[in-house]
Amino acid sequence: AQSVTQLDSQVPVFEEAPVELRCNYSSSVSVYLFWYVQYPNQGLQLLLKYLSGSTLVKGINGFEAEFNKSQTSFHLRKPSVHISDTAEYFCAVSELSGGYNKLIFGAGTRLAVHP
Amino acid sequence: GAGVSQSPSNKVTEKGKDVELRCDPISGHTALYWYRQRLGQGLEFLIYFQGNSAPDKSGLPSDRFSAERTGESVSTLTIQRTQQEDSAVYLCASSLPRGGSYEQYFGPGTRLTVT
Repeated sequence: AQSVTQLDSQVPVFEEAPVELRCNYSSSVSVYLFWYVQYPNQGLQLLLKYLSGSTLVKGINGFEAEFNKSQTSFHLRKPSVHISDTAEYFCAVSELSGGYNKLIFGAGTRLAVHP
Repeated sequence: GAGVSQSPSNKVTEKGKDVELRCDPISGHTALYWYRQRLGQGLEFLIYFQGNSAPDKSGLPSDRFSAERTGESVSTLTIQRTQQEDSAVYLCASSLPRGGSYEQYFGPGTRLTVT
């Protein structure tokens, strides 16, 4: 079965510093990869996705992620964070099963940006 | 256009009571998903509906959980004889059918507290 590991449950960082949120997945077949963000008391919002093509994916709010097949990783990065980036970030993997996108989520990483 | 909506936003119930949670997907989205998010954890897949196909119920944790969907619109998740371990945020998502962008659009969730 597929699984997703987010290596850090919490990441504190100062405003304007760079950040990397790590994500590793286990799969022996082609996958689609996603990062979602959940702001306090809100639903999940898609940040970016990798379906195919270029391994460097750019998303909203200045975030990007790099798909590394050999390391089965899909780490999320931002060169300079803002206070407003404080949120929970979820990495997810899907594999086509029965023709639909069943997402398997990691446990999440809480990003806390301090002034 | 309108996003995915869920009701109620919060529900407090006594142990042993039944509850119904409602999800209104985005118009035109034939795929609908239910997830459970326990405090401090990632999202756990519960059930998937796609058009008139048989739903994938593989994620339902027990026979106390059931879900229905009327055509390609509203879905209700029912939990019978609620237990304290059912306390969680229940998230609904919808997406375009297979062959689409695979992005799932999430509602704000229903926070269920079983006392």
